[in-house]
Amino acid sequence: DAGITQSPRHKVTETGTPVTLRCHQTENHRYMYWYRQDPGHGLRLIHYSYGVKDTDKGEVSDGYSVSRSKTEDFLLTLESATSSQTSVYFCAISESKGNQYFGPGTRLLVL
Amino acid sequence: GDSVTQMEGPVTLSEEAFLTINCTYTATGYPSLFWYVQYPGEGLQLLLKATKADDKGSNKGFEATYRKETTSFHLEKGSVQVSDSAVYFCALPEQTGANNLFFGTGTRLTVIP
Repeated sequence: DAGITQSPRHKVTETGTPVTLRCHQTENHRYMYWYRQDPGHGLRLIHYSYGVKDTDKGEVSDGYSVSRSKTEDFLLTLESATSSQTSVYFCAISESKGNQYFGPGTRLLVL
Repeated sequence: GDSVTQMEGPVTLSEEAFLTINCTYTATGYPSLFWYVQYPGEGLQLLLKATKADDKGSNKGFEATYRKETTSFHLEKGSVQVSDSAVYFCALPEQTGANNLFFGTGTRLTVIP
């Protein structure tokens, strides 16, 4: 299994609070991704990174920011959480086209 | 733009039944195509892929053939097991690089004994 972990695995927070999710990899893969998974929407890309300090927006980036200061870590921040951001968040890594390896997911509930 | 469309679920089958999950795509050129599987409580994992037209990808008894005439990549298995219960996603790469993937909305399969 690809070495990819996410923390925390579960989080409950209140509307308006900042939240940071962490993705950590030990594979030295160049590309990293943050997705959210919601019923009826499948998997939607939030942000991705193609190298240290190189990031770009995905399909549903509003309300989210990311940072990648080291190859192994990719952080997703919700500056001010809203109930619409209640979701399951997945990090993925990739080195070759099409092959993405996913973390176990973070279940976030915003009350 | 490029996209994938897969059949709505959920799909419920008895053990040893034949499975087909339809996937069609819209893309310029002939991109690689993928099927990912998500078991309960886990992240997605690559199930199989095909890199060019008429290729057949296979893994764990699942097969999918890349058919450019019908722009399809349907997933099949001859005899499903309870352990195949999962959500299945069809995917194709974005053409713009960064190894991004477009995922279908997923099809939930439940296999009953």
